[in-house]
Amino acid sequence: RKEVEQDPGPFNVPEGATVAFNCTYSNSASQSFFWYRQDCRKEPKLLMSVYSSGNEDGRFTAQLNRASQYISLLIRDSKLSDSATYLCVVNSNFGNEKLTFGTGTRLTIIP
Amino acid sequence: DAGITQSPRHKVTETGTPVTLRCHQTENHRYMYWYRQDPGHGLRLIHYSYGVKDTDKGEVSDGYSVSRSKTEDFLLTLESATSSQTSVYFCAISDPTPRHVYNEQFFGPGTRLTVL
Repeated sequence: RKEVEQDPGPFNVPEGATVAFNCTYSNSASQSFFWYRQDCRKEPKLLMSVYSSGNEDGRFTAQLNRASQYISLLIRDSKLSDSATYLCVVNSNFGNEKLTFGTGTRLTIIP
Repeated sequence: DAGITQSPRHKVTETGTPVTLRCHQTENHRYMYWYRQDPGHGLRLIHYSYGVKDTDKGEVSDGYSVSRSKTEDFLLTLESATSSQTSVYFCAISDPTPRHVYNEQFFGPGTRLTVL
């Protein structure tokens, strides 16, 4: 089983719709969680960290479910500019700065 | 954007030749990382550094070596390039201090390496 698993998609969603991604992780001792965004042929960029209580940043909401070992990302009122690949990222060792990346979920927003 | 540059940005080389990729940061971050990204595998850690002259292996370190003689520079060397090392290589930095307790990593623009 992979440490971090994501549905690769693609998700093709009409502009203005709400879309949600889930990501599961295998190590119950994981401490830090992130969503990164990667545009085609570009570097990954941090979208948001995922806090235990859940957090929101504008149209984006991230949730953590430790009992079921998954994190989620919700995008409301999707924009054409949201088209990208979204990477789920987990730090599995406290004090260890190594991150484990999912393979990404590809999202395309359709006009 | 974090001050991270990579050079070269693109390189085509032949099997068996040595190749060195450079990552340079202006953020004074302690940790630096080299990843490779391939379809179906996501980002995989090759080596990382937690200080000057302090490095450690990642999950795909075979065939690669690294050096860090200054805080700002982290070099990745392919001693004898093989076609399986054709990939996109990303450098990243992080600064695990109380300011960044969630140890986010920030990435450079990447180097596209083709080994023929």
